[in-house]
Amino acid sequence: AQTVTQSQPEMSVQEAETVTLSCTYDTSENNYYLFWYKQPPSRQMILVIRQEAYKQQNATENRFSVNFQKAAKSFSLKISDSQLGDTAMYFCSLVTQGGSEKLVFGKGTKLTVNP
Amino acid sequence: NAGVTQTPKFQVLKTGQSMTLQCAQDMNHNSMYWYRQDPGMGLRLIYYSASEGTTDKGEVPNGYNVSRLNKREFSLRLESAAPSQTSVYFCASRGQGANYGYTFGSGTRLTVV
Repeated sequence: AQTVTQSQPEMSVQEAETVTLSCTYDTSENNYYLFWYKQPPSRQMILVIRQEAYKQQNATENRFSVNFQKAAKSFSLKISDSQLGDTAMYFCSLVTQGGSEKLVFGKGTKLTVNP
Repeated sequence: NAGVTQTPKFQVLKTGQSMTLQCAQDMNHNSMYWYRQDPGMGLRLIYYSASEGTTDKGEVPNGYNVSRLNKREFSLRLESAAPSQTSVYFCASRGQGANYGYTFGSGTRLTVV
């Protein structure tokens, strides 16, 4: 079975600063994908960034980047130049290839960006 | 716009009432999923359908039934609602290969009183 753990229920950061959200996971599979989803107060689930396990290079999307440590099963999200619109719940998630490919979520981190 | 459409967006039920949450996607995705979101619990899988005509239980299936009516539609039914089923429900779909990612509906906030 796959598990995803987010150890920071809440975090806050000042506007324009950098913040890192932590995530660890466990799976016995070798082929999998990791995702960070953002859920603003509107409730919509928005894909922020994805990482293929077979790629060593860390994924980046504009101000968002990940630190993927496969051996340590760690997948942290770094948000640079934080903006007020980044205030949201952030969910780390994992899906393994093959079979039903069910997406497993962590419990989330509530991020508040302060002006 | 293409995507996943859920109805209704809000619903209040009395204990023991039944209702069906509707979900439809227009992206020709094979796989569809129902999740529930509770505070501090993340999203937990209720049921999923890997293809038209097949359904399987997820992590928290008790009290729910599903129907994969066709490739586009995947409904979730509460036969006898209980206060423990108060939650936000999300439908999602996924294309071929995990890299395609998941597309989520906007959610249904259900309150059972």
